[in-house]
Amino acid sequence: QSALTQPASVSGSPGQSITISCTGTSSDVGGYKSVSWYQQHPGNAPKLMIYEVIKRPSGISDRFSGSKSGNTASLTISGLQAEDEADYYCCSYAAGNTHNYVFGTGTKVTVL
Amino acid sequence: EVQLLESGGGLVPGGSLRLSCAASGFTFSSSAMTWVRQAPGKGLEWVSTISSSGAATYYADSVKGRFIISRDNSKNTLYLHMNNLRAEDTALYYCAKDSNSWVNWGQGTLVTVSS
Repeated sequence: QSALTQPASVSGSPGQSITISCTGTSSDVGGYKSVSWYQQHPGNAPKLMIYEVIKRPSGISDRFSGSKSGNTASLTISGLQAEDEADYYCCSYAAGNTHNYVFGTGTKVTVL
Repeated sequence: EVQLLESGGGLVPGGSLRLSCAASGFTFSSSAMTWVRQAPGKGLEWVSTISSSGAATYYADSVKGRFIISRDNSKNTLYLHMNNLRAEDTALYYCAKDSNSWVNWGQGTLVTVSS
């Protein structure tokens, strides 16, 4: 199972909105509603930001939103803040012989 | 408060290693559990998931046949038995609660495989 494709880096100024894409296939992103997004600051464990494509866990700011179209999922961060600077990973359930998950390649978000 | 504490990592010249993940703050026996790893400077990789009872186990192709996930619900502990270790298994290994959409993670235990 190949990793999902994300841009290596995305940047924006404080207050702006940015969108991170996550491209897979009909066997993963396109075929299931089980797409999630994780934020990871250096030295820390990943943090769930979005699950089931569009849902936010309790305590996650509504500045973070998810969507999906075809084989591509997206994470949008609006009102960009300095603390949003981190690595972001998408993850999707993937069809196969067994229960299987695949992560994206990761995107470094830089706040200018 | 959910707490997950991994242990057992270290520097190994190949061979085998067993990782543990001690869980607290939730009903361990009701939750599927997952291992995810991250090679130094690299991205996240799903490794394995086990059902709440332990009856069902799932593995990434990269570790299938070499790693075994197990659990002891009486000890609230998750395990990852790693055999035939390779240099590419060098990573920080995280345990996470549930089978998907992982809200709760440990801080990880580092496994370094040296040839």
